[in-house]
Amino acid sequence: EDKVVQSPLSLVVHEGDTVTLNCSYEVTNFRSLLWYKQEKKAPTFLFMLTSSGIEKKSGRLSSILDKKELFSILNITATQTGDSAIYLCAVEAQSSNYQLIWGAGTKLIIKP
Amino acid sequence: NAGVTQTPKFQVLKTGQSMTLQCAQDMNHNSMYWYRQDPGMGLRLIYYSASEGTTDKGEVPNGYNVSRLNKREFSLRLESAAPSQTSVYFCASSEWWGAGETQYFGPGTRLLVL
Repeated sequence: EDKVVQSPLSLVVHEGDTVTLNCSYEVTNFRSLLWYKQEKKAPTFLFMLTSSGIEKKSGRLSSILDKKELFSILNITATQTGDSAIYLCAVEAQSSNYQLIWGAGTKLIIKP
Repeated sequence: NAGVTQTPKFQVLKTGQSMTLQCAQDMNHNSMYWYRQDPGMGLRLIYYSASEGTTDKGEVPNGYNVSRLNKREFSLRLESAAPSQTSVYFCASSEWWGAGETQYFGPGTRLLVL
């Protein structure tokens, strides 16, 4: 059965800290891994990763994929209170007919 | 552009009542989706429409029906609501089926079934 597991489920840090969020997966015929940020309402797209070892970067956020070990990490440096959100990981695979398989999310709280 | 819009924002139903959640997108997307989000479980796909005129079951379709009314609109119907359907429902759309990176979400409908 396809699955996506995120860790930790929740995390509380202070402003300025660096955080690393994890996403591991087990699917057949992997195609891509996506990260979304969910604040109060709708998830919004952050990154799509398809190749191992190539870092995607946007400001203080970056992400990388390891297709051999079947995981991805999302790093946030110099965290700000506006980074508080649920971070969702999803995987596209042929085995799921390309439906996105979602992890449960990591709830990140940044304290001032 | 409004993106993806959903109505209502919040609804309370009694067990056995029916209702329809409405979704519309103005991005000329071909594919549309209905998800539910429950605490600790992430997003689960209920139904999707890969293109206008087609609908298919997702991971958790039981108790729901959908209608792709036209390219813009995709509705979700609960025929006889049950407390297990208490959840937050998100509609999403994407340019094409399988284009996960272009999946845009609506603001969600919070449904409480008593």
